Amino acid sequence: DTGVSQDPRHKITKRGQNVTFRCDPISEHNRLYWYRQTLGQGPEFLTYFQNEAQLEKSRLLSDRFSAERPKGSFSTLEIQRTEQGDSAMYLCASTYSSYNEQFFGPGTRLTVL
Amino acid sequence: KQEVTQIPAALSVPEGENLVLNCSFTDSAIYNLQWFRQDPGKGLTSLLLIQSSQREQTSGRLNASLDKSSGRSTLYIAASQPGDSATYLCAVYGQNFVFGPGTRLSVLP
Repeated sequence: DTGVSQDPRHKITKRGQNVTFRCDPISEHNRLYWYRQTLGQGPEFLTYFQNEAQLEKSRLLSDRFSAERPKGSFSTLEIQRTEQGDSAMYLCASTYSSYNEQFFGPGTRLTVL
Repeated sequence: KQEVTQIPAALSVPEGENLVLNCSFTDSAIYNLQWFRQDPGKGLTSLLLIQSSQREQTSGRLNASLDKSSGRSTLYIAASQPGDSATYLCAVYGQNFVFGPGTRLSVLP
């Protein structure tokens, strides 16, 4: 078990460009979460998947954001037409269920110039 | 809407001291509460998970308690070490995970 992995670890992009991040959860975990964290704050929930189904999305997740988990394994988070306010650390976590620990990946740090 | 606060926001202690970090939440309808540590620029490392039916959990020098009725949890760190320096976050799971802003701990050698 190699833990939760995320790719890329860092992304610098220009305003208006599209970016995509990938998360590979712990293999037997069926729940996968995405969070956004800005400097000095705790992570904020964005969305989560139970297997391939996206069950909840935060109001923070504007129409420019989309997430997928096509086969119930890895997940992608895409941000279209990036804005400077999207600059943050994007974290992925996985778990078995509501009653189990969440395990986090190392995060993808996005900088929008 | 669940709100989570953590006190203090920052703490600096000499090595060897015992210390307590506090977490408060507004909605007691939770499944569990989890404590994490985060090193600068890194992801979160799980420390302890307390189910809503439990009162405390222990792991090594760490002990976490939960009083669901009063909406409080504490993380006790015994015999602090410089390697404990990090930001400590609590998160409560109700409808979804809601995190506190964290306590930034510095343990001075």
